[in-house]
Amino acid sequence: DAKTTQPNSMESNEEEPVHLPCNHSTISGTDYIHWYRQLPSQGPEYVIHGLTSNVNNRMASLAIAEDRKSSTLILHRATLRDAAVYYCTPPGSNYQLIWGAGTKLIIKP
Amino acid sequence: DVKVTQSSRYLVKRTGEKVFLECVQDMDHENMFWYRQDPGLGLRLIYFSYDVKMKEKGDIPEGYSVSREKKERFSLILESASTNQTSMYLCASSPGRGNTEAFFGQGTRLTVV
Repeated sequence: DAKTTQPNSMESNEEEPVHLPCNHSTISGTDYIHWYRQLPSQGPEYVIHGLTSNVNNRMASLAIAEDRKSSTLILHRATLRDAAVYYCTPPGSNYQLIWGAGTKLIIKP
Repeated sequence: DVKVTQSSRYLVKRTGEKVFLECVQDMDHENMFWYRQDPGLGLRLIYFSYDVKMKEKGDIPEGYSVSREKKERFSLILESASTNQTSMYLCASSPGRGNTEAFFGQGTRLTVV
């Protein structure tokens, strides 16, 4: 199964863009990269996923490196409600997701 | 709105008790999962199921069993609860196989005393 590396924590000011990096150098060629976030006292929620090209949705953008060994989740304008732990999660061999420690995002007002 | 519902947000049980954690999804998903989450250890997969009456062990199945008699319901059973099973338990479901979005319940915080 693929492994991921993310910074333990990051800080950002409110209403500024945030770039959350993830290294997934062992991912296979057909595996999508998923991103989830977990707000305090809640279960994880899906943010975005992609395979090779950059992806956008209402929550965020996902930039995937050309060699697919890394990706960056972009929150264009962080709010206090975006404070959470963000996980990049490649799929495992049995349809489950592989979870690392994630990045705790701290938003300063 | 799609939903994964776990039967309890908080549970306190005694050592040795048999504990049932229930999870229901309303999205007709094939796959269902049980994870536990502990500080510093992230989410760890206990069991999963990709069809009714099917179950597969995850990374930490010891001390747990599961039941999936209906497609929408996936139960986690602690046969004889122990204090080291005090944890946050998370249920998830996903459609189909491979690269799909998973939906999580709110979690059950179980304390075994």
